[in-house]
Amino acid sequence: AQSVAQPEDQVNVAEGNPLTVKCTYSVSGNPYLFWYVQYPNRGLQFLLKYITGDNLVKGSYGFEAEFNKSQTSFHLKKPSALVSDSALYFCAVRDIYNAGNNRKLIWGLGTSLAVNP
Amino acid sequence: EPEVTQTPSHQVTQMGQEVILRCVPISNHLYFYWYRQILGQKVEFLVSFYNNEISEKSEIFDDQFSVERPDGSNFTLKIRSTKLEDSAMYFCATSTDTQYFGPGTRLTVL
Repeated sequence: AQSVAQPEDQVNVAEGNPLTVKCTYSVSGNPYLFWYVQYPNRGLQFLLKYITGDNLVKGSYGFEAEFNKSQTSFHLKKPSALVSDSALYFCAVRDIYNAGNNRKLIWGLGTSLAVNP
Repeated sequence: EPEVTQTPSHQVTQMGQEVILRCVPISNHLYFYWYRQILGQKVEFLVSFYNNEISEKSEIFDDQFSVERPDGSNFTLKIRSTKLEDSAMYFCATSTDTQYFGPGTRLTVL
């Protein structure tokens, strides 16, 4: 079965320090991986995705993620955290079992990131 | 930048009542989705829609749920007879490739 795991419910980091939000996946074949962010009382905002190509993917707001096939991971990173980065972060993988582009996303449980001033 | 919009932002209804949640997709998007997020829980897929047909639906999407594009622009989710456990945030997403989400409708069933 396809699945995504975010092993940490919460990550705390000091402003200016690097941050990592972890994600591992279980998918047969080549995964399409995504990160979304959810600010309080807001929708899900797309941050970045990995489809193919370079393992290091750059996205919005200075975030990047590294695809590691051997470790089946897709950790989200940022070199220097901002207080405004505090939010809920979701990792997702696209379902590979349906044809075409109309494939649902399978979600992790989310990780709450708190950046302390 | 084009956005997915959803109305209403918050809907309060009595158990057993019908609700219709509306979504306006990004204009050139062809694939549509509804997800829901019960407070404090993970995001769950409900249904995907393409070319005026349901492509896939989850076990949550039972006979009480339906979707349509009544006028070729809005994409709606109808719950015929709401239950307490339908209380959640409902997100519409649209895509050509990457899924972009609306701000959600918070449904509260009393």
